Amino acid sequence: QSVLTQPPSVSGAPGQEITISCAGGSSNIGADYDVHWYQHLPGTAPKLLIFGNNNRPSGVPDRFSGSKSGTSASLAITGLQAEDEADYYCQSYDSNLSGSVFGGGTKLTVL
Amino acid sequence: EVQLLESGGTLVQPGGSLRLSCAASGFTFNSYAMSWVRQAPGKGLEWISYISATEGDTWYTDSVQGRFTISRDNSENTLYLQMNSLRAEDTAVYYCAKDVCSGGSCYLDYWGQGTRVTVSS
Repeated sequence: QSVLTQPPSVSGAPGQEITISCAGGSSNIGADYDVHWYQHLPGTAPKLLIFGNNNRPSGVPDRFSGSKSGTSASLAITGLQAEDEADYYCQSYDSNLSGSVFGGGTKLTVL
Repeated sequence: EVQLLESGGTLVQPGGSLRLSCAASGFTFNSYAMSWVRQAPGKGLEWISYISATEGDTWYTDSVQGRFTISRDNSENTLYLQMNSLRAEDTAVYYCAKDVCSGGSCYLDYWGQGTRVTVSS
């Protein structure tokens, strides 16, 4: 059980907007550590999607955006596309664990 | 182009040992921390070990502390993970990844394709 809690699954129709939440606590997100997001398609290498709470690496479409407030963070995806169907993970540093941790992951289904 | 290529994954018996390697290219290897992340079947990603650029600092998650050892050869641009006393619960795909660290926090900007480790008799 991770210290970062994500919903197991979310779904949306093509063109719609979805958000994935990442709930943390006072030893991670609430301690002002950055939150990062990854996209993972089964059988492939995970891909960095958002770093430093709300920054996109080169090549990531602006349909993907991140935000952080208090002890939580969110990933928003607008204009859903079939190719967005994947697992999404948040990640941050935890001072109690003295290391980085991933959320449990959220499976996005595009209906 | 950054490339990370893991190798060494195989079937091993419980209690056995295995060494994973990760050959890096396309960046200045000795300037970046590196990490190992694994994904067990049907489970999420788990960050299991970290090593700083100059080997001065390492970290392990509790479940592998004392059994796994991370190391690197900066002259060969290679990252290693020595895994001893393997258990069934270590069965997973193991990924190496390049760290970007700032203010005590890191993220992983490049990942390898992974190597599969199966611990079973």
